[in-house]
Amino acid sequence: DTEVTQTPKHLVMGMTNKKSLKCEQHMGHRAMYWYKQKAKKPPELMFVYSYEKLSINESVPSRFSPECPNSSLLNLHLHALQPEDSALYLCASSQDLEGWDTDTQYFGPGTRLTVL
Amino acid sequence: DAKTTQPPSMDCAEGRAANLPCNHSTISGNEYVYWYRQIHSQGPQYIIHGLKNNETNEMASLIITEDRKSSTLILPHATLRDTAVYYCIAPSYGGATNKLIFGTGTLLAVQP
Repeated sequence: DTEVTQTPKHLVMGMTNKKSLKCEQHMGHRAMYWYKQKAKKPPELMFVYSYEKLSINESVPSRFSPECPNSSLLNLHLHALQPEDSALYLCASSQDLEGWDTDTQYFGPGTRLTVL
Repeated sequence: DAKTTQPPSMDCAEGRAANLPCNHSTISGNEYVYWYRQIHSQGPQYIIHGLKNNETNEMASLIITEDRKSSTLILPHATLRDTAVYYCIAPSYGGATNKLIFGTGTLLAVQP
């Protein structure tokens, strides 16, 4: 089973709202990722968690706040977003094979976010 | 990540083999070649990866040239459901986690 689930599938929020995106995997993976994908563009990495610790932050604005409560869950807290933050937000996970040369990432279906 | 170059679009007739090329002339010795695809509005789907040898799984075959500067993804019998953007990626592994840097990919349109 290589399933990564994401909720909600769609989210519409105002610029003053606070919302959260959720991601879950039960593959025993120890690395989890958030990507952002604008329309007609490729996915871009935002954050990486390795063993529940933030290991990469690709200079993402502080209105996006990631959280990894345990090895199976990944959240992305949203606050005071701008309309240009409207995008497909993708979660991925991988085994995080330290010392190995390959570590396949598996993606969820994404959350389509619209900021009004 | 090594830079990869792919044609922006390709057409393929349904039932025929789809051959998607990728150039990665700056790839280093320990960098794998990964292929993902993304069907419209869905998350990227892992297809296959390889280092030196040709690889085959239930979805596709991956042919890597001997000098590793290019590769070809082969979908042996394309169907309409294979219409998607196909990404060729050569991630670098500098520690415990890898970063996938997606290029613009190839939009494969399978025609009936």
